[in-house]
Amino acid sequence: SQQGEEDPQALSIQEGENATMNCSYKTSINNLQWYRQNSGRGLVHLILIRSNEREKHSGRLRVTLDTSKKSSSLLITASRAADTASYFCASDSGAGSYQLTFGKGTKLSVIP
Amino acid sequence: DVKVTQSSRYLVKRTGEKVFLECVQDMDHENMFWYRQDPGLGLRLIYFSYDVKMKEKGDIPEGYSVSREKKERFSLILESASTNQTSMYLCASSPSQGYGYTFGSGTRLTVV
Repeated sequence: SQQGEEDPQALSIQEGENATMNCSYKTSINNLQWYRQNSGRGLVHLILIRSNEREKHSGRLRVTLDTSKKSSSLLITASRAADTASYFCASDSGAGSYQLTFGKGTKLSVIP
Repeated sequence: DVKVTQSSRYLVKRTGEKVFLECVQDMDHENMFWYRQDPGLGLRLIYFSYDVKMKEKGDIPEGYSVSREKKERFSLILESASTNQTSMYLCASSPSQGYGYTFGSGTRLTVV
């Protein structure tokens, strides 16, 4: 079952621009997480936002969460060529759930 | 630096073979997970374990089994490999519920 769905599927921007990716999910959650994957490699955890938080920052990353709309967004400011990767949101299924369900990802290309 | 190590980066096996994919973590994490990743389908959970000798089915357990005899090691077993199990297999671990995952680099399995 696909809990999270990212939008857009692909995004191409110039270096220095901001990149925004969106994620929607279906059921109540305890937390939502964002991951990055460079081509052919494992995923790297970027940031976790809990259901009682609305916004969180980490370096050039800003994540928002709207539980009433069951949606989240990831903003990468002042993008760099090295940010080129696929980005995934992942959510749990509320209290007592161990596992995360991942979306299909947004493929970000940052052009130098 | 914390690590999840998957024993092989690339693997080629024949149809009908029994295949073992090994995953070891050095972080004393309680939870371990096996996902497969396919183009257009994203990451799908095969099995997970929240304690030694405990296992739970994920979304697509058919054709797979797992073993967790020690806390640090979680093995994925393809009982009789088939071509539709050709995929990227990703192992992950987390300390407990509500924390981010640490992923291994992945094993790209081709069944011929």
